[in-house]
Amino acid sequence: EADIYQTPRYLVIGTGKKITLECSQTMGHDKMYWYQQDPGMELHLIHYSYGVNSTEKGDLSSESTVSRIRTEHFPLTLESARPSHTSQYLCASSEWEGFSGNTIYFGEGSWLTVV
Amino acid sequence: QKEVEQDPGPLSVPEGAIVSLNCTYSNSAFQYFMWYRQYSRKGPELLMYTYSSGNKEDGRFTAQVDKSSKYISLFIRDSQPSDSATYLCAMTGGNFGNEKLTFGTGTRLTIIP
Repeated sequence: EADIYQTPRYLVIGTGKKITLECSQTMGHDKMYWYQQDPGMELHLIHYSYGVNSTEKGDLSSESTVSRIRTEHFPLTLESARPSHTSQYLCASSEWEGFSGNTIYFGEGSWLTVV
Repeated sequence: QKEVEQDPGPLSVPEGAIVSLNCTYSNSAFQYFMWYRQYSRKGPELLMYTYSSGNKEDGRFTAQVDKSSKYISLFIRDSQPSDSATYLCAMTGGNFGNEKLTFGTGTRLTIIP
């Protein structure tokens, strides 16, 4: 079982509020990711990190920001939430190695509803 | 056109049946192919991964890749109610890290006891 944790699991928040989705992993993985997944749709990568102080934007444009100050911690922040941000956000991590056998471990997801 | 196409289902089969889940893709650079299982309100977990063409078996699960047809399959033998989940295919090219993974939309599978 993967040791990657996301909080909160479920959040309903009003428009304009600032929110931070927390993600922590205890596996010592260098690479971490944030995906966005709408019901019945593909996972889309919105942010990733190769390690401390490294952050990159993914394929799907997102108004969220991320930071990587510690290896185990990769929070995602929305400065001003809007209804269009309503979605499931999945955090993941993997070891830094050649792709062969490189497994991504996912957290259980944070379900965000902006009203 | 999406790079990866996957029938979203839902697919319902009786317990004990053989299940076939499929994805097609258009990018000939894809070389690594994965199947993830996602239970409701949970994150995906890796079931199997294969490199290039061929078959790979793990217990009741068999993954097949046909690069000439750009077609991959996951077979589940002796299906169990615990196999009820959404199954996502994912793939990427050689020398690419996980940040280049492309996922299918997932097929929702229900095994009826």
